[in-house]
Amino acid sequence: DAKTTQPNSMESNEEEPVHLPCNHSTISGTDYIHWYRQLPSQGPEYVIHGLTSNVNNRMASLAIAEDRKSSTLILHRATLRDAAVYYCIQRSGTYKYIFGTGTRLKVLA
Amino acid sequence: DTEVTQTPKHLVMGMTNKKSLKCEQHMGHRAMYWYKQKAKKPPELMFVYSYEKLSINESVPSRFSPECPNSSLLNLHLHALQPEDSALYLCASSPQGAQGYSPLHFGNGTRLTVT
Repeated sequence: DAKTTQPNSMESNEEEPVHLPCNHSTISGTDYIHWYRQLPSQGPEYVIHGLTSNVNNRMASLAIAEDRKSSTLILHRATLRDAAVYYCIQRSGTYKYIFGTGTRLKVLA
Repeated sequence: DTEVTQTPKHLVMGMTNKKSLKCEQHMGHRAMYWYKQKAKKPPELMFVYSYEKLSINESVPSRFSPECPNSSLLNLHLHALQPEDSALYLCASSPQGAQGYSPLHFGNGTRLTVT
């Protein structure tokens, strides 16, 4: 089964960039990498996804290693509203979204 | 507000009770999911329905019984649960398709307590 690992927690100062790493050493060639975040008392929400190339959207950037065994979610300027648990997800097959261990991000004012 | 609606928000039930969790979406998505999330843990996949047919059952005990009456609704029937089944139950939906860019849309969950 797919397995992803992430650091338990990270801290960042407000307005500074944050790099959240994820290891997905069992990833296969067709598995997409997704990132979601979960705010307190809410369901997870989509942040970004990618397959091989680096990706940017209005929320974040995703850098994928050349061997695809790791990726990094980049928040360019952390705000207090970005404090959440960030999950790296391997999508195996059409429907199997397997969540990583999650990183709790704390943003300091 | 989320586009996936789950009811009830909170549920307390005894081990001999029968209850149901409900999930509804009107985005035209044809895949629907149940996840279970224990405190400070990631969500764990339980079931997936695609076009109203059960596609994935992650070896979930039979005391959890999913049902997809139509493409907009997903139920989870609960019977003879144990206290360790207490958790946040999350419903999600996604557009049908094999492409990797089908993001999951989650509801805010039902917080279940089994006494």
